[in-house]
Amino acid sequence: TAGITQAPTSQILAAGRSMTLRCTQDMRHNAMYWYRQDLGLGLRLIHYSNTAGTTGKGEVPDGYSVSRANTDDFPLTLASAVPSQTSVYFCASSDGDSRGEQFFGPGTRLTVL
Amino acid sequence: GQNIDQPTEMTATEGAIVQINCTYQTSGFNGLFWYQQHAGEAPTFLSYNVLDGLEEKGRFSSFLSRSKGYSYLLLKELQMKDSASYLCAVVDSNYQLIWGAGTKLIIKP
Repeated sequence: TAGITQAPTSQILAAGRSMTLRCTQDMRHNAMYWYRQDLGLGLRLIHYSNTAGTTGKGEVPDGYSVSRANTDDFPLTLASAVPSQTSVYFCASSDGDSRGEQFFGPGTRLTVL
Repeated sequence: GQNIDQPTEMTATEGAIVQINCTYQTSGFNGLFWYQQHAGEAPTFLSYNVLDGLEEKGRFSSFLSRSKGYSYLLLKELQMKDSASYLCAVVDSNYQLIWGAGTKLIIKP
């Protein structure tokens, strides 16, 4: 079982360009999450989805959008990247709500220049 | 505001015991997690506490006191592979997970 996969592994992006980070899980989990992790800060929730067809805003949603067309996929889009979006992005999923163990993907390291 | 406090870094010796503390002030409480994160890797689940007391799982134990807003992770018989960051996270009243910045644990031979 693959668990959660993310693509790409890393990316360098010019400011102003758009990009979609991909996330796919094969555990049939209802809930999925996107986090960013910056040095010295905790994981910060960007967006989440409790079930296919629904999404919600987390702590730092500005500049990001998500969709949840099916159970398995939860892409994160940066419409017009800025240098402050340089970070490591983790996708996670859980079977149920936030009280359940979250399983994390390997992360995408994004650098915006 | 909501806040999770953990020491930034700790150092311990192989074979010893170390306790990593976490204090929290959140809007409500619906459980507390500990995750382990090796450098350059994703976090992985260690423990979940929702009731007061000690939960033991092999070399790792986690303690919770809801009245004090306090938890600790106890690691026994430390091994070099335990060198990692340890993340404390609290589920608040909105069922959102609030994460601490993590404690980097350095194990020395």
